[in-house]
Amino acid sequence: ETGVTQSPTHLIKTRGQQVTLRCSSQSGHNTVSWYQQALGQGPQFIFQYYREEENGRGNFPPRFSGLQFPNYSSELNVNALELDDSALYLCASSLARTGELFFGEGSRLTVL
Amino acid sequence: GENVEQHPSTLSVQEGDSAVIKCTYSDSASNYFPWYKQELGKRPQLIIDIRSNVGEKKDQRIAVTLNKTAKHFSLHITETQPEDSAVYFCAADAGGTSYGKLTFGQGTILTVHP
Repeated sequence: ETGVTQSPTHLIKTRGQQVTLRCSSQSGHNTVSWYQQALGQGPQFIFQYYREEENGRGNFPPRFSGLQFPNYSSELNVNALELDDSALYLCASSLARTGELFFGEGSRLTVL
Repeated sequence: GENVEQHPSTLSVQEGDSAVIKCTYSDSASNYFPWYKQELGKRPQLIIDIRSNVGEKKDQRIAVTLNKTAKHFSLHITETQPEDSAVYFCAADAGGTSYGKLTFGQGTILTVHP
């Protein structure tokens, strides 16, 4: 059984650029959620994907978008990067309706 | 939406002492309450969870209690060890169509001194 994997682990972008982060869910999990964790804070829910459709969204602007693929892997896209987007982006997978999340190691994004 | 408050923000104990972290939540529909441990630079890892039909759950040195009437839940760690040092987060999940959409507390930095 493989766990949740994310790529890239670290990346640096400049303000105004776009970024795509990738996540492979744990084997057998059909739901992927994305969280943003700013330094010294708890993770904040961005959105969730279930069976390739967005299934809920947190308080994030439309420039945060995502996709889920038939194999349940997922992408998080952020357009028009701002300095405040600098954070650890965590992907978590789960079996729908269990609530138990399994997190990846995260992608640390720095926006200069 | 749900709001989760966590206290204290930092907690320092001596090895062998007990540690207690408390959280309150606002949404009475919340019915799943996990606790995560996050070491520096690592992923959050689930250490224990409790659902609303249970008042207390224990796993070796770790226990969680839930008071649904008061909307608060607590993490208890007994016989603390230096390797328990980490950031601990509580979270709440309203369940139903909200499964997996956790609202996290702000975190507690636990330091266990040898």
